[in-house]
Amino acid sequence: GESVGLHLPTLSVQEGDNSIINCAYSNSASDYFIWYKQESGKGPQFIIDIRSNMDKRQGQRVTVLLNKTVKHLSLQIAATQPGDSAVYFCAEKAGGYNKLIFGAGTRLAVHP
Amino acid sequence: GAVVSQHPSWVICKSGTSVKIECRSLDFQATTMFWYRQFPKQSLMLMATSNEGSKATYEQGVEKDKFLINHASLTLSTLTVTSAHPEDSSFYICSASRLEDNTGELFFGEGSRLTVL
Repeated sequence: GESVGLHLPTLSVQEGDNSIINCAYSNSASDYFIWYKQESGKGPQFIIDIRSNMDKRQGQRVTVLLNKTVKHLSLQIAATQPGDSAVYFCAEKAGGYNKLIFGAGTRLAVHP
Repeated sequence: GAVVSQHPSWVICKSGTSVKIECRSLDFQATTMFWYRQFPKQSLMLMATSNEGSKATYEQGVEKDKFLINHASLTLSTLTVTSAHPEDSSFYICSASRLEDNTGELFFGEGSRLTVL
């Protein structure tokens, strides 16, 4: 497989704070990126996506930033809530290929 | 809409037996389905790409004779883990892309946890 099998880093935040989760992607040809949330024992849940012709996209409480120059993607969660506690993965897709490759993931722990 | 269902959600089997996992798109037709494997505290690793009516395309390092994939219809793909061993214990997740979509969005199932004793 192409995804990286590393143990997950953890980001701990206080409830109400903003969270920023980072992801470095590998393929400069990737043109579509998605952030997923995965709760324990469940499949990934779509959060937000962005195409390579954009630098920023906002959703409800979430913002994705894309820096193609350094191949970096970030997910910002505003006013983080306990229900946001989960593992977050970025995923990339290269044009012409429809397979999605996942990054290493970050565990978000929200403390009251 | 766009619901993907996996069955079983969990299975325990003895070493040496074969286990079949089903992935169904419940309310849409899926041209392509993808199978992922996820070990504890790790990311999802793509195993293979399954296209309806044709042979699956396996990722490097994934044994096609070990992980048999069949995509007989536009709503069903199956993954059979043959002669399972404890090291095959993992969380298997499928995803599907909609026939009419060109957005690239994938819809994921809830996963199937396999434990081989």
